[in-house]
Amino acid sequence: GENVEQHPSTLSVQEGDSAVIKCTYSDSASNYFPWYKQELGKRPQLIIDIRSNVGEKKDQRIAVTLNKTAKHFSLHITETQPEDSAVYFCAASHHQAGTALIFGKGTTLSVSS
Amino acid sequence: GAVVSQHPSWVICKSGTSVKIECRSLDFQATTMFWYRQFPKQSLMLMATSNEGSKATYEQGVEKDKFLINHASLTLSTLTVTSAHPEDSSFYICSARVSGQYNEQFFGPGTRLTVL
Repeated sequence: GENVEQHPSTLSVQEGDSAVIKCTYSDSASNYFPWYKQELGKRPQLIIDIRSNVGEKKDQRIAVTLNKTAKHFSLHITETQPEDSAVYFCAASHHQAGTALIFGKGTTLSVSS
Repeated sequence: GAVVSQHPSWVICKSGTSVKIECRSLDFQATTMFWYRQFPKQSLMLMATSNEGSKATYEQGVEKDKFLINHASLTLSTLTVTSAHPEDSSFYICSARVSGQYNEQFFGPGTRLTVL
């Protein structure tokens, strides 16, 4: 089955700096890669996703890149703000309707002002 | 649209009792729902895939007789933790996909279970 590795486990940056979180996946059939932000005690919130037919997607300060050959994808947050502090999870799945998301272990991002 | 609810949001029970958690898709039909468990400071771990009208598929290491899943309609899946023990204390989250659409999953708000 799918296995998703995520690094780093913790990341501390200064406000205004960029943050990068990286994930690798094992199943070459996976074609959907979402990123979630989770605050304590809350459900995961989808912040951006990418499908395998594109290499990059951007939404304001957030971007995701995908390298299918190397089976890795990354989350880039620019101009970080204190409210970006949270736990971020990457995940992977493939397009069959019955396939669940498999999550990475998470990255705790701390943005200090 | 694409709202998933869970009930209850939190529950405290005594060791040895059973607890039922409901997951509902409020504005869409979901032939497949997923149950995850999240321990403190850990990731979401897939427990089982719930299929409407058929038996659930459990992940390796998840006891199907302990975590009973029923998906009797296109909008409701239930997870029953039987004979709960303190080690079952966790955050249980369900998710669902819109039938006929792939990939994006919509998560419920989660249920915090504490077993005394």
